[in-house]
Amino acid sequence: SQKIEQNSEALNIQEGKTATLTCNYTNYSPAYLQWYRQDPGRGPVFLLLIRENEKEKRKERLKVTFDTTLKQSLFHITASQPADSATYLCALDASKLTFGTGTRLQVTL
Amino acid sequence: ETGVTQSPTHLIKTRGQQVTLRCSSQSGHNTVSWYQQALGQGPQFIFQYYREEENGRGNFPPRFSGLQFPNYSSELNVNALELDDSALYLCASSFGANLVAGELFFGEGSRLTVL
Repeated sequence: SQKIEQNSEALNIQEGKTATLTCNYTNYSPAYLQWYRQDPGRGPVFLLLIRENEKEKRKERLKVTFDTTLKQSLFHITASQPADSATYLCALDASKLTFGTGTRLQVTL
Repeated sequence: ETGVTQSPTHLIKTRGQQVTLRCSSQSGHNTVSWYQQALGQGPQFIFQYYREEENGRGNFPPRFSGLQFPNYSSELNVNALELDDSALYLCASSFGANLVAGELFFGEGSRLTVL
């Protein structure tokens, strides 16, 4: 069966460190993958999109990698700040945009 | 440029009732997708509307139905409410007929509680 797996346990890191979140998928062949940020009780906000022929994409302090052989995407936030604390969702372009369950990131001082 | 707006923000219904949720898409967007997000889960695709026609549907029963209007705003209707329908209902707008048209712009959601 098709699965999108994100670490359900919260990731706690110290301010200034790099946060790395993982998205693994099975039985999908996505043309691209997206990452969204979601704050409690709010709608998701688009962050980055990476296509299957791109290995890496950057936007300011954010970096996404996409390995179609490993069926995995890594999402990095460098120099993390308490304001980065949120849930981060990955989404694949199956026949419909399909989301993982998200990983909650907590950045502490 | 106005963003995606949804109403109502919160509502409480009882089992068996019917509910209508509304969404105004972002200016210039002609496609609306609806998602259901249960607590602690990712958004689940319900259906998408493009130019007033349903353009794809997820694994939801027929009691979930929708409409899109000429101004591209949309409604989600749920009949015969069940307890498991309690969730945050998200509307997202985009431009284009492709089910995966790229970046989605989400509203803040309607929180439905079924008692």
